[in-house]
Amino acid sequence: NAGVTQTPKFRVLKTGQSMTLLCAQDMNHEYMYWYRQDPGMGLRLIHYSVGEGTTAKGEVPDGYNVSRLKKQNFLLGLESAAPSQTSVYFCASSYRDGNYEQYFGPGTRLTVT
Amino acid sequence: AQSVAQPEDQVNVAEGNPLTVKCTYSVSGNPYLFWYVQYPNRGLQFLLKYITGDNLVKGSYGFEAEFNKSQTSFHLKKPSALVSDSALYFCAVRDIKGYSTLTFGKGTMLLVSP
Repeated sequence: NAGVTQTPKFRVLKTGQSMTLLCAQDMNHEYMYWYRQDPGMGLRLIHYSVGEGTTAKGEVPDGYNVSRLKKQNFLLGLESAAPSQTSVYFCASSYRDGNYEQYFGPGTRLTVT
Repeated sequence: AQSVAQPEDQVNVAEGNPLTVKCTYSVSGNPYLFWYVQYPNRGLQFLLKYITGDNLVKGSYGFEAEFNKSQTSFHLKKPSALVSDSALYFCAVRDIKGYSTLTFGKGTMLLVSP
């Protein structure tokens, strides 16, 4: 039982490049989330999904897209990376909605130069 | 809107002493409240939650938190701190009136000295 896994762990991009971050969970959770963590800002929700085939915007969705084609996977895409997207990205999942605890992945450290 | 505030960026405590990490919240309905802990270079781990019932909630690693509706607070406490408790602690809230996701505070760094 791996829980929540994220790939890659580290990545360096040049401005304007694109990339996809992959999140996978093996707990059969309905809800999945993408957050970014910046110093002094806490965790901010980018996008989330309440089930396979669904996505919704969070607090800071601009510049990101997501897809949830399979229940166990949640992909975060950056179409044209900007230095402001330098951050640590965390994926999380929960059994259902916000009264269930979230399980977090180990994070992806992204640097955009 | 739902929001949460952690007024202290850092809390310092000596090992063996009691610790408190403060959290206040703002919701229009009733809150669901959570505490998470983050160790260096790791994801967040769930500590405890308040959904309903007893105002004193006990969680992992000897931590507990008290829900105070009149003061809109949910402070995290532990009777005797350990050096290994040193980490970043996040409070989070969900307003059951219209929200399905959590809003996290900015985090409080807890440093326990030997």
